[in-house]
Amino acid sequence: DTAVSQTPKYLVTQMGNDKSIKCEQNLGHDTMYWYKQDSKKFLKIMFSYNNKELIINETVPNRFSPKSPDKAHLNLHINSLELGDSAVYFCASEVYNEQFFGPGTRLTVL
Amino acid sequence: GENVEQHPSTLSVQEGDSAVIKCTYSDSASNYFPWYKQELGKRPQLIIDIRSNVGEKKDQRIAVTLNKTAKHFSLHITETQPEDSAVYFCAASMSDQAGTALIFGKGTTLSVSS
Repeated sequence: DTAVSQTPKYLVTQMGNDKSIKCEQNLGHDTMYWYKQDSKKFLKIMFSYNNKELIINETVPNRFSPKSPDKAHLNLHINSLELGDSAVYFCASEVYNEQFFGPGTRLTVL
Repeated sequence: GENVEQHPSTLSVQEGDSAVIKCTYSDSASNYFPWYKQELGKRPQLIIDIRSNVGEKKDQRIAVTLNKTAKHFSLHITETQPEDSAVYFCAASMSDQAGTALIFGKGTTLSVSS
């Protein structure tokens, strides 16, 4: 059974649309993250949550809004999608600094 | 904030050779240094990590060394095999604070040819 899962795995959409990516972890961890991996494979932190509380909010456009309904879920909503948002988005959860990544969501904005 | 530099960006070795990837970090408060392996189309997976109270750690064919004074750490893979081919990322963070993100290096693409 999957420890950190994300849906959808692939997301193809038009510029200007609004979309959401869901993340769930069944590890009982308190801390979850969203990372963005661009076409050059660079992994960059976007947000972190600890016990449903926002801890880190890097310089990410406010079109991106994370939501944590409970400790096991951290969803990412993106408004008014732009071409530059195309990337792979990884969710992760953490215990004692070890981070477990989800399988990623490949977002393509046309 | 923390900045992590990683070298080389690509590394090609013959099967059986050793591979070394080096990283430097800027924030002396960082105290946790993991290494992740990412195969094509897959998620990053932790392969080894080291904390600042330790200078070296080994796990079978992989080892990591840390020099806190110089603020650099390295990944060593011995007896490389084709299945070691992947992108390797080093990272740094401060382990004391919940929700402190990993700051990643830009990755090293390792190719092992048989």
